Amino acid sequence: NAGVTQTPKFRVLKTGQSMTLLCAQDMNHEYMYWYRQDPGMGLRLIHYSVGEGTTAKGEVPDGYNVSRLKKQNFLLGLESAAPSQTSVYFCASSYSWGGETQYFGPGTRLLVL
Amino acid sequence: GNSVTQMEGPVTLSEEAFLTINCTYTATGYPSLFWYVQYPGEGLQLLLKATKADDKGSNKGFEATYRKETTSFHLEKGSVQVSDSAVYFCALRLSGGSNYKLTFGKGTLLTVNP
Repeated sequence: NAGVTQTPKFRVLKTGQSMTLLCAQDMNHEYMYWYRQDPGMGLRLIHYSVGEGTTAKGEVPDGYNVSRLKKQNFLLGLESAAPSQTSVYFCASSYSWGGETQYFGPGTRLLVL
Repeated sequence: GNSVTQMEGPVTLSEEAFLTINCTYTATGYPSLFWYVQYPGEGLQLLLKATKADDKGSNKGFEATYRKETTSFHLEKGSVQVSDSAVYFCALRLSGGSNYKLTFGKGTLLTVNP
């Protein structure tokens, strides 16, 4: 049982490039989330999904897109990377609508030059 | 809106010292409260939680009591170890229609020296 895994662990992009971050969970969780973590800001929710085929915007969705084609995977895309998107990205998942906590992946460190 | 305020860090202690990290919250409704810990180079892990007023969450020697009257959830440990060095996040989650969403504080970096 690997829990929540994220790919890649680290990436350097040039401004304007695109990339996709992959999150996978093997706990059969319905809910999945993408956060970004910036110094002094805590974690901020980018997008989330309440089930396969669904996505919704969080607090800071601009510049990002997501897809949840399979229950176990949640993809975060950057179509045209900007230096302001330099951050550490965390994926999380949870089982149910209420009463459960979120399980986090190890993070992806992204540097946009 | 809903928010979590934690004491500013960093906090530096000697091994076996007493730890308190303050956390207060603002929320509409009755939130569940959490402390998450992030060890260097890792993702967040749930440390403890409390789901209603006067509940005490505890784990690994850490404790926090849900105080509705003071809207607080302070984290305490009687004797810290070097291995407790990490960033600690207080968080809340509302019940009802928005309970998918965790609202985090900014985090408090704890360094424990031998």
